Amino acid sequence: DAGVIQSPRHEVTEMGQEVTLRCKPISGHDYLFWYRQTMMRGLELLIYFNNNVPIDDSGMPEDRFSAKMPNASFSTLKIQPSEPRDSAVYFCASSRGTTQTSGNTIYFGEGSWLTVV
Amino acid sequence: GIQVEQSPPDLILQEGANSTLRCNFSDSVNNLQWFHQNPWGQLINLFYIPSGTKQNGRLSATTVATERYSLLYISSSQTTDSGVYFCAVERIYSTLTFGKGTMLLVSP
Repeated sequence: DAGVIQSPRHEVTEMGQEVTLRCKPISGHDYLFWYRQTMMRGLELLIYFNNNVPIDDSGMPEDRFSAKMPNASFSTLKIQPSEPRDSAVYFCASSRGTTQTSGNTIYFGEGSWLTVV
Repeated sequence: GIQVEQSPPDLILQEGANSTLRCNFSDSVNNLQWFHQNPWGQLINLFYIPSGTKQNGRLSATTVATERYSLLYISSSQTTDSGVYFCAVERIYSTLTFGKGTMLLVSP
């Protein structure tokens, strides 16, 4: 199994530019999560999908952030326009079924390290 | 929302030493998991343990749900155990909330 695949691994962009982060979940997983990790706020859930449908986007910081999941094998997180305070590691994760059930482990990608200058 | 507090925030050990990491949470939960983030940033699930005790090699975890805490034990620590250990909890019909983590450094 290839695991959760994220791209790009690293991105440096200028303030005001559009950033698109991509994620391919593990095949067969019906839940997909986007997390953001910063030193100040730790790991925060931004949004999650179930069967490609956004369920809870209350963690999305503001309208500059948007996420889509057009099919079961692909999701994007877009920031437009980007700001220096968006610099963080963005993780995508997936699970088969709700993580509240024993054995339904959540698997994380290696993260996309974003720096906005 | 639910609060998750981990202690200690930082820990330095000599190789071979044992350690205990603690996670306190503010409300009843349906799910508690421990994760290890290695120095390269990869997050790996260690235990799913909403209650009781589990062991996996040198690691074990105990959750006392009625008292709202969980402990992660690392025995005979190795340099490869270095990284950040996160506790994450979940209430019913909710999603995982992560603590701030315990940063562990095991020196040879």
